[in-house]
Amino acid sequence: EAQVTQNPRYLITVTGKKLTVTCSQNMNHEYMSWYRQDPGLGLRQIYYSMNVEVTDKGDVPEGYKVSRKEKRNFPLILESPSPNQTSLYFCASRRLAGGGEQFFGPGTRLTVL
Amino acid sequence: DAKTTQPNSMESNEEEPVHLPCNHSTISGTDYIHWYRQLPSQGPEYVIHGLTSNVNNRMASLAIAEDRKSSTLILHRATLRDAAVYYCILRDVDSGGSNYKLTFGKGTLLTVNP
Repeated sequence: EAQVTQNPRYLITVTGKKLTVTCSQNMNHEYMSWYRQDPGLGLRQIYYSMNVEVTDKGDVPEGYKVSRKEKRNFPLILESPSPNQTSLYFCASRRLAGGGEQFFGPGTRLTVL
Repeated sequence: DAKTTQPNSMESNEEEPVHLPCNHSTISGTDYIHWYRQLPSQGPEYVIHGLTSNVNNRMASLAIAEDRKSSTLILHRATLRDAAVYYCILRDVDSGGSNYKLTFGKGTLLTVNP
C-alpha cells in the first residue's frame, strides 16, 4: 500500500530535550515536505526537499532541522524544543513529474512542556 | 499563490449530493485548482484537481466555471465518512520547478447528517 508513515504519532517531551520525528514514504517520491498545523493558522510549511541531499526552508523553519540522506526518509529534528513548537506535524511527499497529488502522513502530535 | 474563498461550513444529509463552492477571482492562467480534505484526526487527503475542464474521479467531480473565477467540488452521494474540512487550493504550475508547497486556507467544514 502506498503510504507516508510518521513516528511517533504522539509525543510529550520537555523543553530542551532533542527529539526526532521520522517520516518515510514507499512511493519513490523525490519531493518531501514537513508542515505544522496550529488552530487558527492552518498548515504552514517548515522545510521541504526536492531530492536526496537537497533541502530548503519553508515558511517557518526556525527551531527545526531536516536531513535527506535517503530518498524514502525525511526526518524532522528539534534540537532544543520549546513550548511554542507544540503542534500537530505532517509529512508529505509527491513525485516531481506530472500530476498534483501530494500524499500526507497521519500526523505527529507533539507537546513540549 | 492566488487567494481562495470558501464558506466556513456546510451541512448535508447522507446519500444526497453536496456542492462545495470555491471562489478564486484572482486566479492566473497557469494556476491549477486543487481540492484536499482533512478528516478528523487525520492528515490531508488529495481529492481532485483540474485546470480548465471539468474533472471526475472515483471520489468526486470538479466543475470549473468558464471564466475560472470559481469552482465547485461535487460529492455525488455524501456518506458519513465524507465529513471533513475541505480545502480549495490554487497552485501555479510554473512554480513546480521549486517548491510544491500547498497553501491551506481555513476550508469548509462539511457536516453530514445521518
